[in-house]
Amino acid sequence: KAGVTQTPRYLIKTRGQQVTLSCSPISGHRSVSWYQQTPGQGLQFLFEYFSETQRNKGNFPGRFSGRQFSNSRSEMNVSTLELGDSALYLCASSLGWTSVQPEQFFGPGTRLTVL
Amino acid sequence: TQLLEQSPQFLSIQEGENLTVYCNSSSVFSSLQWYRQEPGEGPVLLVTVVTGGEVKKLKRLTFQFGDARKDSSLHITAAQPGDTGLYLCAGGGSSNTGKLIFGQGTTLQVKP
Repeated sequence: KAGVTQTPRYLIKTRGQQVTLSCSPISGHRSVSWYQQTPGQGLQFLFEYFSETQRNKGNFPGRFSGRQFSNSRSEMNVSTLELGDSALYLCASSLGWTSVQPEQFFGPGTRLTVL
Repeated sequence: TQLLEQSPQFLSIQEGENLTVYCNSSSVFSSLQWYRQEPGEGPVLLVTVVTGGEVKKLKRLTFQFGDARKDSSLHITAAQPGDTGLYLCAGGGSSNTGKLIFGQGTTLQVKP
């Protein structure tokens, strides 16, 4: 079974630009979550999509948005990039409906550098 | 706001030594998970603990969930260089969704 894939793996952008990151979950997984990982703040939850609907949202500004398609693939968009948005963006997928905390399967991440 | 504090943040030990990593919170979690992350990769789940007082073993790794479900620990016996990596604890909320609260992580280096 193929794992979670994220594209692109690396991105360099300049302040003020916008960026779109893509995530393809494991086949059959309907939940996709996005996390931002930085040395200072660690892993922080951005949002979760389940069956094309945002189910949870973290404490990030509105410049961070996402969506999920009918095939469960997800994209996240960051507009008006700031230097502080430089981070590793991780996508995780799970079945989405379990009786206990589901196992999150993480992709390798997209390393975003904002200059 | 739920927070998880991990300690220590960094640990450098010799092969064969034992170590314990702690994950503490003032909040109750419905479950706690431990992940391990290697450079250039995403975190990989090691274990999920759900019941207060629960102890789970995975080869040389022992995981414990506190009785009050506010803390957890990871103990590694006879550490090996292959155990090197970033260890993360993560708490689940009241609903079993993809939203996890992560600790800051413990970077473990095991020297041969």
